[in-house]
Amino acid sequence: QKEVEQNSGPLSVPEGAIASLNCTYSDRGSQSFFWYRQYSGKSPELIMSIYSNGDKEDGRFTAQLNKASQYVSLLIRDSQPSDSATYLCAVNRGSTLGRLYFGRGTQLTVWP
Amino acid sequence: NAGVMQNPRHLVRRRGQEARLRCSPMKGHSHVYWYRQLPEEGLKFMVYLQKENIIDESGMPKERFSAEFPKEGPSILRIQQVVRGDSAAYFCASSPTYGGTGVRASYEQYFGPGTRLTVT
Repeated sequence: QKEVEQNSGPLSVPEGAIASLNCTYSDRGSQSFFWYRQYSGKSPELIMSIYSNGDKEDGRFTAQLNKASQYVSLLIRDSQPSDSATYLCAVNRGSTLGRLYFGRGTQLTVWP
Repeated sequence: NAGVMQNPRHLVRRRGQEARLRCSPMKGHSHVYWYRQLPEEGLKFMVYLQKENIIDESGMPKERFSAEFPKEGPSILRIQQVVRGDSAAYFCASSPTYGGTGVRASYEQYFGPGTRLTVT
């Protein structure tokens, strides 16, 4: 079983729609959860972090965490073509600093 | 430039040569992580360092790879006797000093632009 799994994609949505990206993780002791955006040929860019159950909103982005289900998601409202990228889910297993476990990523395309 | 810096951005080495990759963390950050991204694969953790200490090297290949973060200067990832399978993007990330900007902020890792290594 992989540490972090993401829906395989690719995901294609029209401009203005809501894009929904999902991620599950295997370690119940995981404490910290992150979403990164990576444009082709570029480095990952941190866009959201979430640590507690529930929703966290930042602009057009909403992260949702359900520790009981070991599930984290990212919603992108009013999707724009500039949101087209690969979205990486990352998990830190413990409450201490350290390595991140990444999913393979979901490629999102927003078409005009 | 307040971001994580890496150099070189592109590196070409022939099989058997040594590759040396450098990373300077963001200002105020004392934790450095190295990750490798192979074509069509996800990011894989390699090593976690603080100044003069290797904290976790569980992701490092047992041979040919080493990393350091000296008291002065950048962190260095060294690959000796490179092989074609080492061709990948190598990313460095840094995170803040624990508690320096809030406990939770310390967990957030910020990535540099990466070094694309090509072994011919």
